[in-house]
Amino acid sequence: NAGVTQTPKFRVLKTGQSMTLLCAQDMNHEYMYWYRQDPGMGLRLIHYSVGEGTTAKGEVPDGYNVSRLKKQNFLLGLESAAPSQTSVYFCASSQQDSWTAYNEQFFGPGTRLTVL
Amino acid sequence: GESVGLHLPTLSVQEGDNSIINCAYSNSASDYFIWYKQESGKGPQFIIDIRSNMDKRQGQRVTVLLNKTVKHLSLQIAATQPGDSAVYFCAERGGGSYIPTFGRGTSLIVHP
Repeated sequence: NAGVTQTPKFRVLKTGQSMTLLCAQDMNHEYMYWYRQDPGMGLRLIHYSVGEGTTAKGEVPDGYNVSRLKKQNFLLGLESAAPSQTSVYFCASSQQDSWTAYNEQFFGPGTRLTVL
Repeated sequence: GESVGLHLPTLSVQEGDNSIINCAYSNSASDYFIWYKQESGKGPQFIIDIRSNMDKRQGQRVTVLLNKTVKHLSLQIAATQPGDSAVYFCAERGGGSYIPTFGRGTSLIVHP
């Protein structure tokens, strides 16, 4: 199993450009997440999905859109990139959570994005 | 390149010492607490979790302690090794959401 993979690993954009980050998981997980991580800060949730065809906003959704057309893929889009979106982006997946258990999140290796 | 460890609280220890990483949380309704380890250039990796009805849980070389009275969580690593050098995040889950909220993290540096 490859686990959680992210494409690309690095990207440099100019302000106003658009791009899509791809996350794929081969563990048949229901839940998928996109986080951003900035220096000196923890992970902040951008958007998440509790199943194919569903998405929901997280803590910092502005400027991003997502789609979950297939269960194994979760796409993060930046329509018009801004320097404030310079960050490291992590995708994660987990089994379906319940109130009686916590299912650990498996993280990808990250995408380092710089917006000039 | 830029490190996620910049500006984080840092704990420096000697190889073989025991390490204690602390975390304060704010939500008294949190029902699960989780510790993740993030090595340089990698994504976070689950270490251990603890449910709110417990005050201690042990894993391999790690122990998590939970003090709900003062809303404090700690991760103890026994016989710390250079491979333990990483940023450690605590996360809490609760308040009506399945999804954990991550803290800022602590950078652990182990000197050989």
